Amino acid sequence: NAGVMQNPRHLVRRRGQEARLRCSPMKGHSHVYWYRQLPEEGLKFMVYLQKENIIDESGMPKERFSAEFPKEGPSILRIQQVVRGDSAAYFCASSPSRGSYEQYFGPGTRLTVT
Amino acid sequence: GENVEQHPSTLSVQEGDSAVIKCTYSDSASNYFPWYKQELGKRPQLIIDIRSNVGEKKDQRIAVTLNKTAKHFSLHITETQPEDSAVYFCAATYTGNQFYFGTGTSLTVIP
Repeated sequence: NAGVMQNPRHLVRRRGQEARLRCSPMKGHSHVYWYRQLPEEGLKFMVYLQKENIIDESGMPKERFSAEFPKEGPSILRIQQVVRGDSAAYFCASSPSRGSYEQYFGPGTRLTVT
Repeated sequence: GENVEQHPSTLSVQEGDSAVIKCTYSDSASNYFPWYKQELGKRPQLIIDIRSNVGEKKDQRIAVTLNKTAKHFSLHITETQPEDSAVYFCAATYTGNQFYFGTGTSLTVIP
């Protein structure tokens, strides 16, 4: 049973470019959460999605960031016009149901903006 | 929203000694408190968790205690080993969806 998959593992973007981060949840999991981890800090919640629905996006920056979890395929976190401050590790986690309390994390995507 | 504070930020112990990491939370509605271990460059891994209806939980060398009145919970690692060296994060949630994480404790076990 494969765990949570994320790709790419490392992503380098120049300022102003777009970054697309992908997350495939564990088999049987239909709930995905995205977190951002700045260097030497804890994880900060960004968004919670269910298939085809955004449930809670209270942690998402108002501009340039968007997330989706289509009926088919992985969840995607999209960052438009990246800036140096977007450099961070982005982790997704999945759970089998709403409020299941157990979140399993993927290996993360380390985004570097040059 | 919830605010989780974690102390200390760094901790060094001799191999075989015990390590204790403490977290406090602000929202009395929080009812689930997981602990994650993150090795350098790797994913956070759940090592133990506790729900608000339990005061203590133990799993081999790892234990977690919860004081709901004082709104704090602690991770205890006994007989520490070098492979316990990592960053440990506490978290709290009242929905099971959005987790609020502490800022992490970098534990070093000196052989």
